[in-house]
Amino acid sequence: ETGVTQTPRHLVMGMTNKKSLKCEQHLGHNAMYWYKQSAKKPLELMFVYSLEERVENNSVPSRFSPECPNSSHLFLHLHTLQPEDSALYLCASSQAGTDTQYFGPGTRLTVL
Amino acid sequence: AQSVTQLDSHVSVSEGTPVLLRCNYSSSYSPSLFWYVQHPNKGLQLLLKYTSAATLVKGINGFEAEFKKSETSFHLTKPSAHMSDAAEYFCVVSDKSSSGSARQLTFGSGTQLTVLP
Repeated sequence: ETGVTQTPRHLVMGMTNKKSLKCEQHLGHNAMYWYKQSAKKPLELMFVYSLEERVENNSVPSRFSPECPNSSHLFLHLHTLQPEDSALYLCASSQAGTDTQYFGPGTRLTVL
Repeated sequence: AQSVTQLDSHVSVSEGTPVLLRCNYSSSYSPSLFWYVQHPNKGLQLLLKYTSAATLVKGINGFEAEFKKSETSFHLTKPSAHMSDAAEYFCVVSDKSSSGSARQLTFGSGTQLTVLP
């Protein structure tokens, strides 16, 4: 595997379910990001981890819970989501202190 | 504070004709600027990046962008469009003012490029 991978690529869940999104980067980076991409809206930064510490949480509802166990892996735990949370969730990574972020293919989430 | 404005939400060109996607930015600092491309149901791919070296930046797939400080613009161009260029394009500015080791990006709202046969 190369670059940034995300699993699953598609996820359908009910509002009472609990699921997790996984991101893995194979680039030797040490900063990782979660973004939400909704139709007709600019990309929204959700969480930032740098050197495995969360450095940003952009007023994201608590039903989204990130986890970064090491510099290569990032998770987004989901519980009691709402239909408006349906979106493409993108993971990205970078070398801490640099600008360029590399994105994964995304997870298309549908909340019923 | 920084911001990015993509002046066209949709651009349509014929195959083989030039492409121009317009972007204006606002930044208090000397910015890093990027163009990313997103094909349907895919993630974002980096096309090119400006970091205060040469003002004309060459990217992948024949794309280029010119940084014009006086106009606060960073327009994306390609001499001849190909069908495979049909995608959404995002202009992005980096917040060098953010403290800490993780730089934050501000994305434009995107320009959907359609290439007609």
